[in-house]
Amino acid sequence: NAGVTQTPKFRILKIGQSMTLQCTQDMNHNYMYWYRQDPGMGLKLIYYSVGAGITDKGEVPNGYNVSRSTTEDFPLRLELAAPSQTSVYFCASSTGAGDRVYYQPQHFGDGTRLSIL
Amino acid sequence: GNSVTQMEGPVTLSEEAFLTINCTYTATGYPSLFWYVQYPGEGLQLLLKATKADDKGSNKGFEATYRKETTSFHLEKGSVQVSDSAVYFCALSAGGSYIPTFGRGTSLIVHP
Repeated sequence: NAGVTQTPKFRILKIGQSMTLQCTQDMNHNYMYWYRQDPGMGLKLIYYSVGAGITDKGEVPNGYNVSRSTTEDFPLRLELAAPSQTSVYFCASSTGAGDRVYYQPQHFGDGTRLSIL
Repeated sequence: GNSVTQMEGPVTLSEEAFLTINCTYTATGYPSLFWYVQYPGEGLQLLLKATKADDKGSNKGFEATYRKETTSFHLEKGSVQVSDSAVYFCALSAGGSYIPTFGRGTSLIVHP
């Protein structure tokens, strides 16, 4: 199993450019999440999805958009890149069924390191 | 609101030393508590969990006990190895959304 796969691993953008961070999982998980991790900080939730067609905002959604057209894919879109969006982005998934612990992020991708210059 | 406070790092130990990483929390209701580990260049991995007071989570030699009276969930390991060098995150989830709140992480460096 591949688990959670994120692409690209690294990217440099200019201010004002747009891009999509890709995330796909092959575990048929209902819940998917996008987090950002800034140096010395914990993870901040950007958006999450509880199933295909359903998304919701997390703590820091401004400047980002998501869609969930299939169970497998959960892309994150940056429309107008700003230096404050320089960060490492992690996609995660969980089953979202049964005991409540299975609603927590259980599988993470290896991250996308994004720099905005 | 919910919050998690972890001890500042880095924590530097020699191989086979005893490890404690402190974690305290504030939460509404009865949270579930988690420890995640992040190895260099990788995403986080769920290490262990506890869902009610006095529960002990354990995995790979690591343990943590859910202490409601002190609102703590300290991570311990009796004998660390170089391969345990990583960043450790304490997290909790509470309320209807189940979305966890993460601490800032504590870096552990183990020397041979």
